[in-house]
Amino acid sequence: GENVEQHPSTLSVQEGDSAVIKCTYSDSASNYFPWYKQELGKRPQLIIDIRSNVGEKKDQRIAVTLNKTAKHFSLHITETQPEDSAVYFCAAYSSASKIIFGSGTRLSIRP
Amino acid sequence: DSGVTQTPKHLITATGQRVTLRCSPRSGDLSVYWYQQSLDQGLQFLIQYYNGEERAKGNILERFSAQQFPDLHSELNLSSLELGDSALYFCASSPLAGVSSTYNEQFFGPGTRLTVL
Repeated sequence: GENVEQHPSTLSVQEGDSAVIKCTYSDSASNYFPWYKQELGKRPQLIIDIRSNVGEKKDQRIAVTLNKTAKHFSLHITETQPEDSAVYFCAAYSSASKIIFGSGTRLSIRP
Repeated sequence: DSGVTQTPKHLITATGQRVTLRCSPRSGDLSVYWYQQSLDQGLQFLIQYYNGEERAKGNILERFSAQQFPDLHSELNLSSLELGDSALYFCASSPLAGVSSTYNEQFFGPGTRLTVL
């Protein structure tokens, strides 16, 4: 069946450095790719998203890139700060209303 | 605060029992989604309702069912509970039906933590 693979499962970076999280999806009908941030004990919150007709999108320190041919999309966080520490989930949505999440990446920012 | 409310916040019950989780969407949102998040696991999409009708189904077990009422609140019913059903159950809402439609961001509720003993 369809799935979304997310790597790495854990990531530790020095404060100020960049962090990259990658996801690969299998359903070629997927056309919407959101990223969610979930802090400990809290609800997931959308931080950025990209649609299949766009290759890259930026919002301040966060960017997402999409390679439809390779069925691959990535989250890039630059100039990381302590408040970026959280679990990040990617997801792939299709027009058929299939919603599949990646398994999550626990990001830790070292001071 | 996302505007989505879920009750109860915590629920502890025994195997074999039945529970109902409740979700009230943001004002004006017509879609409600249910997700299961097991310990140290990702989010599993269970089911979506739009304006009272089932819209999409994910990995929802036959022991689980949901409905959306005329006032748009939704309930998730879990029956014949097993230890493995222990998880955080999130509800989310969005204005429209199509999950990938523009301006259809999902807003998550605070979740209900279910513990099955």
